[in-house]
Amino acid sequence: DAKTTQPPSMDCAEGRAANLPCNHSTISGNEYVYWYRQIHSQGPQYIIHGLKNNETNEMASLIITEDRKSSTLILPHATLRDTAVYYCIVSLSGDDKIIFGKGTRLHILP
Amino acid sequence: EPEVTQTPSHQVTQMGQEVILRCVPISNHLYFYWYRQILGQKVEFLVSFYNNEISEKSEIFDDQFSVERPDGSNFTLKIRSTKLEDSAMYFCASSQLTVSNQPQHFGDGTRLSIL
Repeated sequence: DAKTTQPPSMDCAEGRAANLPCNHSTISGNEYVYWYRQIHSQGPQYIIHGLKNNETNEMASLIITEDRKSSTLILPHATLRDTAVYYCIVSLSGDDKIIFGKGTRLHILP
Repeated sequence: EPEVTQTPSHQVTQMGQEVILRCVPISNHLYFYWYRQILGQKVEFLVSFYNNEISEKSEIFDDQFSVERPDGSNFTLKIRSTKLEDSAMYFCASSQLTVSNQPQHFGDGTRLSIL
């Protein structure tokens, strides 16, 4: 089973920041937090990952709490194309098998 | 940006027939994977493949399934005798090995419909 807990669904207004939470209270010291998303009828898409420090790339920012038991994915200016299911994954490395949970279904509202 | 490509996008097959799903991973990647997603359900891991052999497989990946890297670019999933319950989206993924925390990159999948 997935080692993370996410809300089943969230809404966000277009143009606003979407903040998606994830709890991973049993994370071990050498496990990374990865975020993927799946837009309808497409394959999962990698977004971002981190270990301890906050990370930012062209798609999103990842904020990891100091105790590493939770994290937040931030899409700074959500668009309709960001409507998707977002998966928070905890893994020792990127080449481990991914165990997908149910994720958070994010609806961007016009 | 390099991407994982899968063919065909949709495969319709009679129950009991063999089917081969094809994937071209990103060229400098060394780890390859197959996942499946039954309609309305979670994405499930099937198998991982490295250095020309299976590194890990799930309970789903029984004797009816096999994987192969027949040449330097293709990675295939074969289902020997398809069943109705094999109907699903099948996703191929690949990752680099040189840095262990590199993510997996997925193709857009093959929709397999068993009649």
